Amino acid sequence: ETGVTQTPRHLVMGMTNKKSLKCEQHLGHNAMYWYKQSAKKPLELMFVYSLEERVENNSVPSRFSPECPNSSHLFLHLHTLQPEDSALYLCASSQTVHGGNTEAFFGQGTRLTVV
Amino acid sequence: DAKTTQPNSMESNEEEPVHLPCNHSTISGTDYIHWYRQLPSQGPEYVIHGLTSNVNNRMASLAIAEDRKSSTLILHRATLRDAAVYYCILRPYMDSNYQLIWGAGTKLIIKP
Repeated sequence: ETGVTQTPRHLVMGMTNKKSLKCEQHLGHNAMYWYKQSAKKPLELMFVYSLEERVENNSVPSRFSPECPNSSHLFLHLHTLQPEDSALYLCASSQTVHGGNTEAFFGQGTRLTVV
Repeated sequence: DAKTTQPNSMESNEEEPVHLPCNHSTISGTDYIHWYRQLPSQGPEYVIHGLTSNVNNRMASLAIAEDRKSSTLILHRATLRDAAVYYCILRPYMDSNYQLIWGAGTKLIIKP
C-alpha cells in the first residue's frame, strides 16, 4: 500500500467509448502525475499537477483529458481512443513538483485495453 | 537531461547480496540519484535516493562513487520478492522539467 489508489485496475473500452480513470492520494502531497507505460517502452510522463494547477502537458493528444478537482484526486478522462493507446496508466504523487530530494509514490496502475 | 546506463538484466541467487550498477557520467552537481523498482503487474516503488554520501534504509543501500559518475544499489540479502525491474534515475535539485527520465532499467532475476 503506497498511499496512492487507482481505479479501476483493469479497463477494456471500445474506440467510441468515454471512460475515466481515477487516482486518489492519502499522503497530503501537493503534486500529482499521470504516466503511460507501453509494452517494452520506458515510462512516459503525460501530465503534472501542482496544487490542482496543471503545470505540464507533455504533448499528449487531446483524446486524453486530465482533471484535478483538489490536491487529493486526479482523473484522466478518455474518449475516442486508438488501439495503440492500450497501456498501463500510472498515477503518482510527491510532496512537491520541485526538488530532487523528494520521492514519488505510485499507484498500482490501470491496465487499459482499447478494442 | 542527464542520462543513466544500466545493464539490461542480472541474475543472483536467493539470500546472497546483489549489486546493481548504474553509470551517469554526465551527472551535474545538483542531480540526485534515485532508484525505483517495479514488480510484475505493479507500479514503480521508491527504493532509495542520495546526492553524494552513501545512503542506507530498510530496503537497500546506495553507494555513490566519489566522482558521482556511477552508483551501485545494494540489496544485502536478495529474496524471491526482490525480482523486479530496477530503475536508476537522475533528478535535479530544482527540477524545472518536473519529470523523472526513465530508461529501460535492469531486470533482476533471483534464482532459488
